[in-house]
Amino acid sequence: QQQVKQSPQSLIVQKGGISIINCAYENTAFDYFPWYQQFPGKGPALLIAIRPDVSEKKEGRFTISFNKSAKQFSLHIMDSQPGDSATYFCAASGQAGTALIFGKGTTLSVSS
Amino acid sequence: DTEVTQTPKHLVMGMTNKKSLKCEQHMGHRAMYWYKQKAKKPPELMFVYSYEKLSINESVPSRFSPECPNSSLLNLHLHALQPEDSALYLCASSHSGANTGELFFGEGSRLTVL
Repeated sequence: QQQVKQSPQSLIVQKGGISIINCAYENTAFDYFPWYQQFPGKGPALLIAIRPDVSEKKEGRFTISFNKSAKQFSLHIMDSQPGDSATYFCAASGQAGTALIFGKGTTLSVSS
Repeated sequence: DTEVTQTPKHLVMGMTNKKSLKCEQHMGHRAMYWYKQKAKKPPELMFVYSYEKLSINESVPSRFSPECPNSSLLNLHLHALQPEDSALYLCASSHSGANTGELFFGEGSRLTVL
């Protein structure tokens, strides 16, 4: 019940295309859903995050869609660029004092 | 630029060595974390300090020993490590208490155990 399932494991998208990464969770106590972006040799960096009281959040080319009833959330990267090539981790957190749970990650390659 | 600074960036040690990883943040955050990350895997939580007290220890072997000298500093002392402990060790901080989700990560210390 503590897992966050992420798919796909890897993704290849053409420049200018839309990248979509999906995550699903079971624990209804989760109330914060961040996405992290990690480039090779670097630490993860917070990209965008959402709470369950909204169904969508957009920041520039990055959008999180959240479906509370289905217990799913997804990251959409519009107009994907080669510089977006990185590993993306979804995550979930619940009540204070418990650990942030990461998905297994998606390696995105944007071809030019 | 990351505001969580980790040193050293790379460390090679033998199984009998004692070494330390260091982490520093000046964002006034009150929770600090150590994560271990293997290649192509998500970060794996090791320890959490909240208000300078150890609040989470994810059953980490005693050859890893954390220390939080003050609210800005976090150390990870390493002793008698095994080759399978080779990984990227990430430090992170968050504004208050353990687990707000908004973690700020350092660039990591790449550890190789021979």
